[in-house]
Amino acid sequence: AQSVSQHNHHVILSEAASLELGCNYSYGGTVNLFWYVQYPGQHLQLLLKYFSGDPLVKGIKGFEAEFIKSKFSFNLRKPSVQWSDTAEYFCAVNGRRRALTFGSGTRLQVQP
Amino acid sequence: DAGVIQSPRHEVTEMGQEVTLRCKPISGHDYLFWYRQTMMRGLELLIYFNNNVPIDDSGMPEDRFSAKMPNASFSTLKIQPSEPRDSAVYFCASSPSGFVGYTFGSGTRLTVV
Repeated sequence: AQSVSQHNHHVILSEAASLELGCNYSYGGTVNLFWYVQYPGQHLQLLLKYFSGDPLVKGIKGFEAEFIKSKFSFNLRKPSVQWSDTAEYFCAVNGRRRALTFGSGTRLQVQP
Repeated sequence: DAGVIQSPRHEVTEMGQEVTLRCKPISGHDYLFWYRQTMMRGLELLIYFNNNVPIDDSGMPEDRFSAKMPNASFSTLKIQPSEPRDSAVYFCASSPSGFVGYTFGSGTRLTVV
């Protein structure tokens, strides 16, 4: 069975600070990895995805993530956060099963 | 493209009543997923369809929940009878057969009182 762990439940940063959100997955085979963002009161939107190739993936709004296979990790990063990045961030994985398994989410609060 | 369309956006109902949630996937998408989001349990997969056929319904919590996809452009999730613990946001998502990730609908916020 596939599973996803997001260890940071709530992160508070000041504007311009750097961001790194942790994501670890559990699955023995080839995986596809995703980060989704959910702004307050809205639906989930895709930030970035990794299927294969370059383990450093760039997404929208200046976000990037690095796949480290040996650590089963896919951490999300952004060099300088903005107030508008306040949202909840979900890591997700799918292996053989088509459906995505989501982590519990990390709530990011950016203070002006 | 209008995206994935869910209705209603909000639903308040009394315990014991039947609730029907609706979803229209993006045209041409072969896969449709129903998720439930709560504070306690996060995002849980309830069921998903491929070409209108249910593939995995192991996440459907009880027999009170049922889902159908009578055609490629419409799906329903029904709860009968509803209970307060069913209160949650229910999301529908769709994806094409060449998997590139999901597109989510705006969700239905269900409150059972």
